[in-house]
Amino acid sequence: DAGITQSPRHKVTETGTPVTLRCHQTENHRYMYWYRQDPGHGLRLIHYSYGVKDTDKGEVSDGYSVSRSKTEDFLLTLESATSSQTSVYFCAISDSTGVNEQFFGPGTRLTVL
Amino acid sequence: AQKITQTQPGMFVQEKEAVTLDCTYDTSDPSYGLFWYKQPSSGEMIFLIYQGSYDQQNATEGRYSLNFQKARKSANLVISASQLGDSAMYFCAMREGTTGNQFYFGTGTSLTVIP
Repeated sequence: DAGITQSPRHKVTETGTPVTLRCHQTENHRYMYWYRQDPGHGLRLIHYSYGVKDTDKGEVSDGYSVSRSKTEDFLLTLESATSSQTSVYFCAISDSTGVNEQFFGPGTRLTVL
Repeated sequence: AQKITQTQPGMFVQEKEAVTLDCTYDTSDPSYGLFWYKQPSSGEMIFLIYQGSYDQQNATEGRYSLNFQKARKSANLVISASQLGDSAMYFCAMREGTTGNQFYFGTGTSLTVIP
């Protein structure tokens, strides 16, 4: 299994509070992604990174920011959490060679009250 | 327009039978990759199979095969000899281009295998 961890795995927070989710990889893969998964929507890309300090927006980036200061870490920040951001968040990684399939972390279940 | 469309929200199959999960895609990029992932009730995403846009033959991985019809822009997943452990959500995904910068996922199909 690809070495991807996410922390925390579960979090309950209140509307208006900042939240940071962490993704850590040990595979030295170039690309890292943050998705959210909601019923009826599948997985939707929030932000992705194609290298240290290189990030770009995905389909549903409003209300989220990311940072990647090291190859192995990709942080997702909700500056002021809203109830609409209650979701399961997945981090994924992929390499720049071969098939480029994405390997996923275990997910973080976030509840915003 | 949706990049990936999965029109079957739920499917049932008898154990040991084969089942086809539908996926159509939309892209104008000549280079793309198509993927299928499995998500069991435990929540993890498991990569199953890959098909490149220039691959001449349909991809196969054990009991999984991908029925790739390029002109119709379809990439259906075929699971042969279904097992109870195949009960899960299945997601079709597409990567546009040759690098890993953008992936698109469908909404998924829930497969239930009946004993």
